[in-house]
Amino acid sequence: GAGVSQSPSNKVTEKGKDVELRCDPISGHTALYWYRQSLGQGLEFLIYFQGNSAPDKSGLPSDRFSAERTGGSVSTLTIQRTQQEDSAVYLCASSLGDVPLYEQYFGPGTRLTVT
Amino acid sequence: AQSVAQPEDQVNVAEGNPLTVKCTYSVSGNPYLFWYVQYPNRGLQFLLKYITGDNLVKGSYGFEAEFNKSQTSFHLKKPSALVSDSALYFCAVRDSVSGGYNKLIFGAGTRLAVHP
Repeated sequence: GAGVSQSPSNKVTEKGKDVELRCDPISGHTALYWYRQSLGQGLEFLIYFQGNSAPDKSGLPSDRFSAERTGGSVSTLTIQRTQQEDSAVYLCASSLGDVPLYEQYFGPGTRLTVT
Repeated sequence: AQSVAQPEDQVNVAEGNPLTVKCTYSVSGNPYLFWYVQYPNRGLQFLLKYITGDNLVKGSYGFEAEFNKSQTSFHLKKPSALVSDSALYFCAVRDSVSGGYNKLIFGAGTRLAVHP
């Protein structure tokens, strides 16, 4: 079946511009996660959605970052007034539920470059 | 604080030889442990996980991992490495204590290079 998809695959933007990154989770997966992978670094948790519950935003690095999940499916991660340190690969993942028994399935990522 | 350590940035091994990629963790409560692999320009792929039960866990592509509670380790192993195993490997932990369910804590990753 279809996996997690993300768009765009690559995004180059100028410093100060806003960007939107999209994630389409696997159908039926109620949990959705955003992570950031910087060059030479591990994955950094950003935000988590589960059904209609309030999202866990504890990983968002600043108030320039926000995310929405519409209709319990598609999610958009928005970065306002981008900075060069925002350059990274942004990964989305989904899972059947938030119980630790369920592994996460990752999308291919969006590579963001801020010039 | 929860953390995962992968002490080796890179592991080099000859094809056909056994491989080990090391991982140690620190969590409160019982750990749920995962290994993921990332091939170039691809997302992470799940390899295996430890939740409870047998300390030796078998996963995809012939990989296995051994959970050692006393050493707080979860090393990834394969008896005979293939060139196609060359990739970036991530160890991750999800805390079983309420409130920690909803995120994975990842190690920095270990690059495995298998030489012909």
